[in-house]
Amino acid sequence: EAGVAQSPRYKIIEKRQSVAFWCNPISGHATLYWYQQILGQGPKLLIQFQNNGVVDDSQLPKDRFSAERLKGVDSTLKIQPAKLEDSAVYLCASSLGRSGGTNEKLFFGSGTQLSVL
Amino acid sequence: GNSVTQMEGPVTLSEEAFLTINCTYTATGYPSLFWYVQYPGEGLQLLLKATKADDKGSNKGFEATYRKETTSFHLEKGSVQVSDSAVYFCALSDSNTGNQFYFGTGTSLTVIP
Repeated sequence: EAGVAQSPRYKIIEKRQSVAFWCNPISGHATLYWYQQILGQGPKLLIQFQNNGVVDDSQLPKDRFSAERLKGVDSTLKIQPAKLEDSAVYLCASSLGRSGGTNEKLFFGSGTQLSVL
Repeated sequence: GNSVTQMEGPVTLSEEAFLTINCTYTATGYPSLFWYVQYPGEGLQLLLKATKADDKGSNKGFEATYRKETTSFHLEKGSVQVSDSAVYFCALSDSNTGNQFYFGTGTSLTVIP
């Protein structure tokens, strides 16, 4: 079974530039998550999609971050403009997303390591 | 609200030593509890889980028991190997919040031969 695919693997940009990350979840997984993992911290949820609808984006800095999941499959996360504090690993994860599934398993991609200089 | 607190690392052990990584949680409902592991250069992957009180999750020699009375889910392994060197994350998922996952800060484990 193919896993969660993310690209690029690494990205280095200067502050105030824009950057976009791409994620292709496991086939058939309805729920897709974007997490931000700052060095030395646990993953922090940025946004959660159920199919192509947003379930939770309460921790997404909407003045600079945006995400979409057209057609309920793959997703892009964009930062515009980037700040130094955005340096982190951006993780995409997916799950089956069954209704009421309290013991759902998350499958993670390898992440995109972003460095903002 | 929901949160997870893990013991801080890093932890360094000799091969075959006993491992305990403490994890406690706060939840509004009846969460499921997980341990995820992140090997160097790889994404997080599920190590084990427990979905209700007194359940024991186990995998690859690791165990954790869901203790509702102490709101804990400590990770243990009787004899660690060099290949267990990784970062371990405790997490909970609460159906009251749309199955959102809450992660601890992670504990780095290094096992030396």
